[in-house]
Amino acid sequence: GAVVSQHPSWVICKSGTSVKIECRSLDFQATTMFWYRQFPKQSLMLMATSNEGSKATYEQGVEKDKFLINHASLTLSTLTVTSAHPEDSSFYICSARVIAFTDTQYFGPGTRLTVL
Amino acid sequence: KNQVEQSPQSLIILEGKNCTLQCNYTVSPFSNLRWYKQDTGRGPVSLTIMTFSENTKSNGRYTATLDADTKQSSLHITASQLSDSASYICVGVSGTYKYIFGTGTRLKVLA
Repeated sequence: GAVVSQHPSWVICKSGTSVKIECRSLDFQATTMFWYRQFPKQSLMLMATSNEGSKATYEQGVEKDKFLINHASLTLSTLTVTSAHPEDSSFYICSARVIAFTDTQYFGPGTRLTVL
Repeated sequence: KNQVEQSPQSLIILEGKNCTLQCNYTVSPFSNLRWYKQDTGRGPVSLTIMTFSENTKSNGRYTATLDADTKQSSLHITASQLSDSASYICVGVSGTYKYIFGTGTRLKVLA
């Protein structure tokens, strides 16, 4: 099956710093990737839809200047959390869309961000 | 409003026992319904995908059902194993690729 990786798997940073999270589709090309955030004991919440070569589409309430998304190639999307604060601490999960027999999202393993 | 509700919120069973998780959905336009397993600290992994015309689908010890009339789905786990301990998420897919996630059922299997 399609494999999606994320790097790093976890990161701890100081308040005010920026953190970049990478999402890669390892054995397929993905024109569309998605970024989700998940707080403890809650479900995944869509943050933004990332399309290769164009600007990301952000969900209502998600600050585009705080969560910078770059989808520069068909296998890589990055999420940069700028000027991170403790309330940004969360589990960030990406997914890549595959349109083949079925239209399916394959999820990455997630990145745990802790902002001190 | 699109939404997916799951019950129970959490469940504890003994190894070897069966269990059934429930999902009620309101998704329009409805495309398909999916069940995912999410281990702690990991991303979701697909278990089953069902379209409007499918009533049941199995994946090993996992069997999902779909009642499109009542907008209900269930996930039955047979002969549970310790490795089944995880969160199980019901996802309604609207249109082409909009995923509506349920809040999940946290299953704990005890030896």
